Amino acid sequence: QVQLQESGPGLVKPSQTLSLTCTVSGGSISSGGYYWSWIRQHPGKGLEWIGYIYYSGSTYYNPSLKSRVTISVDTSKNQFSLKLSSVTAADTAVYYCASGVGATTIDYWGQGTLVTVSS
Amino acid sequence: QTVVTQEPSLTVSPGGTVTLTCASSTGAVTSGYYPNWFQQKPGQAPRALIYSTSNKHSWTPARFSGSLLGGKAALTLSGVQPEDEAEYYCLLYYGGALVFGGGTKLTVL
Repeated sequence: QVQLQESGPGLVKPSQTLSLTCTVSGGSISSGGYYWSWIRQHPGKGLEWIGYIYYSGSTYYNPSLKSRVTISVDTSKNQFSLKLSSVTAADTAVYYCASGVGATTIDYWGQGTLVTVSS
Repeated sequence: QTVVTQEPSLTVSPGGTVTLTCASSTGAVTSGYYPNWFQQKPGQAPRALIYSTSNKHSWTPARFSGSLLGGKAALTLSGVQPEDEAEYYCLLYYGGALVFGGGTKLTVL
């Protein structure tokens, strides 16, 4: 069973870039078939899909965030990463990494990490 | 901007049956939207329940089922248990992009 663990700073200053990494265990990113997603949840609110990446490096982003988001993959470390630029307080949220068989499914979730944007 | 709509809240009695629905602003939800359903309890990460309309994960309790109903995706809980009290989210696929519904808070009372 795939397990995912988010890591990264819990506090980011406004206008800076939020950077998170998801470490995958119990499966290999490079084996193919899975899409690797980032999802966030604002405090007390619903879920928002940010984007996903395939092991080949192909990506698809939420159109509302596309101009600020970059998702990348490091198959040698079995990790994938999220960068969100020019953050504001509105980007304060719990960020989850997740995986799914194909682009249409999300099966496994990380535990989530709270990122606060504040000076 | 595509909007996916769920009932904000529902209440069900223990042992009862309840159906949650998921509608798309683009029109009728079909199998081509590959509806997924998730359960989230306070302080926890979401847990996947259903994928591709009606397929259960190995860990999904038998009392949960997914379907298409009246142009919407639907999640039915039969024989509701107290531990089913949670927030439920649907997820639809739009030819590349994924969009979550706003969630349904299910109260078991």
